[in-house]
Amino acid sequence: QVQLQESGPGLVKPSQTLSLTCTVSGGSISINGYYWNWIRQQPGKGLEWIGYIFYSGNTYYNPSLESRLAISRDTSKNQFSLKLTSVTAADTAVYYCARDGPYGDRVKFDSWGQGTLVSVSS
Amino acid sequence: QSALTQPASVSGSPGQSITISCTGTSNDVGNYNLVSWYQQYPGKAPKLMIYDVTKRPSGVSNRFSGSKSGNTASLTISGLQAADEANYYCCSYAGTTTFVVFGGGTKLTVL
Repeated sequence: QVQLQESGPGLVKPSQTLSLTCTVSGGSISINGYYWNWIRQQPGKGLEWIGYIFYSGNTYYNPSLESRLAISRDTSKNQFSLKLTSVTAADTAVYYCARDGPYGDRVKFDSWGQGTLVSVSS
Repeated sequence: QSALTQPASVSGSPGQSITISCTGTSNDVGNYNLVSWYQQYPGKAPKLMIYDVTKRPSGVSNRFSGSKSGNTASLTISGLQAADEANYYCCSYAGTTTFVVFGGGTKLTVL
């Protein structure tokens, strides 16, 4: 059973960069066909898909965040990461990492991290 | 504003059945049989309940079922139990430009 765990600062200042890492155990992020996602939930709101990195390393982003977003991976550590630049209070949210797939089974988010709250405040 | 439209709340008594709708467009729900549903308790991560419109992951009760007609997907919970009280979110694949869209969520209250 694959397990995911988010880590990173819980407080980021406005205009700075939000950086989070998801550590995956119980399965390789390079395994054929899986998508490794970031999803967030603003306080009291619904879920918002941020983007994913495919097992091949290709990345795909929510068009509304694409200009500020970068998702990368470190296969040696079995981790993938999120960087969101120029943050504002609207980026305050619980950030989840989640697995989707395998290829052909889309939006099948079957494994989630516990989530980490990131607050944007000076 | 979420891409998929769900009712803000639904309620039912123990033992009854309820249905939560999820309305999208021909670019997402209507074009792909790739709709999933998630159960979320406060302060917890979402849990996959239904995928590929109708399929249940191993371990999910058969009281949960999914369906789709046109641009609207639905989640039905039969034999309501107190433990079903939670927020439910639908999700759809939306093609190679938008990729993934979620609904705004529905709060289920078991009376």
